[in-house]
Amino acid sequence: DAMVIQNPRYQVTQFGKPVTLSCSQTLNHNVMYWYQQKSSQAPKLLFHYYDKDFNNEADTPDNFQSRRPNTSFCFLDIRSPGLGDAAMYLCATSRSPGFGYTFGSGTRLTVV
Amino acid sequence: ILNVEQSPQSLHVQEGDSTNFTCSFPSSNFYALHWYRWETAKSPEALFVMTLNGDEKKKGRISATLNTKEGYSYLYIKGSQPEDSATYLCAFNQNTGNQFYFGTGTSLTVIP
Repeated sequence: DAMVIQNPRYQVTQFGKPVTLSCSQTLNHNVMYWYQQKSSQAPKLLFHYYDKDFNNEADTPDNFQSRRPNTSFCFLDIRSPGLGDAAMYLCATSRSPGFGYTFGSGTRLTVV
Repeated sequence: ILNVEQSPQSLHVQEGDSTNFTCSFPSSNFYALHWYRWETAKSPEALFVMTLNGDEKKKGRISATLNTKEGYSYLYIKGSQPEDSATYLCAFNQNTGNQFYFGTGTSLTVIP
């Protein structure tokens, strides 16, 4: 089945140690999104790629970067994770901007 | 940032009870309202996409209504079953942009 896959499901990283979360899709969707969801809060958009065009939200910290080397893969890099970056990170894809999303199952990041 | 509110935040019902919850969103520049069901350890799954004022959608025991003039949508579950236990997320997007704005979700627990 076509799907969106996030790895790993759970990630524990040390304070300040760079970490990368990955997302892959077999849907051939043009748009890939990264959302951060902290406990009891709404998912918050960090950035998205429309094809190769990178779109950063104004309030996304500089500590967060993203790469999309090809249509299928998108990575979220956190350069120096702080305790406040512990959250669920959701990857989603859509055929075009504004179309409905297909989600991955998320990566729960713990910072120790 | 546009505010999307969902209520209640959490809900416990007995198996067989019917239940409903609310998603409120800004009514200006409305484009679409999306409902997702997110079971633990799984990907959020699309339930409905609604675009027209007065829309009613149904999928089995779950249905949703939309009022774009006053900015709300209701999700109804008839005869709740334990497998309905999940977090129900709503998201809306405007015709002036592509971003989805999510609510914090309603966590439903159906007690056998």
